[in-house]
Amino acid sequence: QVQVVESGGGVVQPGRSLRLSCAVSGVTARNDAIDWVRQSPAKGLEWVAFMSIDGGTTSYADSVKGRFTISKDNRKNTVYLQMISLRSEDTAVYYCARGRNYGMDVWGQGTTVTVSS
Amino acid sequence: QSALTQPPSASGSPGQSVSISCTGTSSDVGSYNYVSWYQQYPDKAPKLIIYEVTKRPSGVPDRFSGSKSGNTASLTVSGLQVEDEADYYCGSYAGSLHWVFGGGTKLTVL
Repeated sequence: QVQVVESGGGVVQPGRSLRLSCAVSGVTARNDAIDWVRQSPAKGLEWVAFMSIDGGTTSYADSVKGRFTISKDNRKNTVYLQMISLRSEDTAVYYCARGRNYGMDVWGQGTTVTVSS
Repeated sequence: QSALTQPPSASGSPGQSVSISCTGTSSDVGSYNYVSWYQQYPDKAPKLIIYEVTKRPSGVPDRFSGSKSGNTASLTVSGLQVEDEADYYCGSYAGSLHWVFGGGTKLTVL
């Protein structure tokens, strides 16, 4: 049974950086992926970033491209979302989720990011 | 990438059926049979209830069903139960390893 657990959220000033972590436990399949999805009251669910489980392929939503980077530490079974140049509109609950069959079937509990001066 | 369009609210009485629509474009819903639906209770993470338009993950009641026609997908909840009151979101693959979600529908069981 796969589990994902997010951490690293907090309050940060506009323009600053933050790194989120997603610890992945359990067995994954070759075609699985890890996605980051965020949710704010204003925008609902918004897909943010994708990484294939082997770490070889990544993609980003236009709203974060160039500012967010998804990466993976295989030794720690952890996927990271490095966020720089944060804006107020990045304020949201950030979820990591396992991507399978082009859907997201295992979700973490979320970690809250607040961008405010 | 624009969000998929869902009605903000839907309602029904226990035992009734209710359908929630999800309208996209020919670049997402219309091009791929990769529409998924998620159920979310307040302060909880979303839960996958439908994937690949019509398939249900193990453990999801068969009262939940999905369909698609053209650029519009639908979730139908049959035999409504009180515990079905939640927010429902659709999602679709949009090509080039991008995904898009709908704005969500609040389902009220009267």
